[in-house]
Amino acid sequence: ETGVTQTPRHLVMGMTNKKSLKCEQHLGHNAMYWYKQSAKKPLELMFVYSLEERVENNSVPSRFSPECPNSSHLFLHLHTLQPEDSALYLCASSQEGGGETQYFGPGTRLLVL
Amino acid sequence: EDQVTQSPEALRLQEGESSSLNCSYTVSGLRGLFWYRQDPGKGPEFLFTLYSAGEEKEKERLKATLTKKESFLHITAPKPEDSATYLCAVKRADSWGKLQFGAGTQVVVTP
Repeated sequence: ETGVTQTPRHLVMGMTNKKSLKCEQHLGHNAMYWYKQSAKKPLELMFVYSLEERVENNSVPSRFSPECPNSSHLFLHLHTLQPEDSALYLCASSQEGGGETQYFGPGTRLLVL
Repeated sequence: EDQVTQSPEALRLQEGESSSLNCSYTVSGLRGLFWYRQDPGKGPEFLFTLYSAGEEKEKERLKATLTKKESFLHITAPKPEDSATYLCAVKRADSWGKLQFGAGTQVVVTP
């Protein structure tokens, strides 16, 4: 595997379900991110992790819960979501203090029914 | 508040018809400006990073330039495979890891 990978690629869930999105980076970076991309809107930063510590929570509802167990893995735990949470969820990583360019995964397309 | 505005929202080009995309920004203390390409249903693909006014970078048919207020992405003699949404993002010098994205320009190149 190379770059940034995300699983699953597609997810359909009911409003009462609990699911998790997984991201893995193979670039040796020290920072990881979750973004939300809705139709016709700019990418919205959700969470930033540096060396497994959360450094930013961009006013995200508590039904989204991130977890970063190590510098290569990032999870987004989902529970009791709303239909308006349907979107493309993107993970990215970067080397802060270095090149700082963020590299993105392919995304998880989430549909909440 | 930081702002990133991309124009036009959409652009339709004939193959070989060169054009430019604009990214206007207001940010306090620019650390870097980033261009990405995004195909439908996929994650953004990194193209360029520009750090200071006057800087230019090229890759195949794409050339990115930067001034103190805006950046341009020039597409020279585009091909259908250049069809994508092009995203611009800025990073502040005092912002750890945070990128502010524009809404993107959707480019369609027809044969």
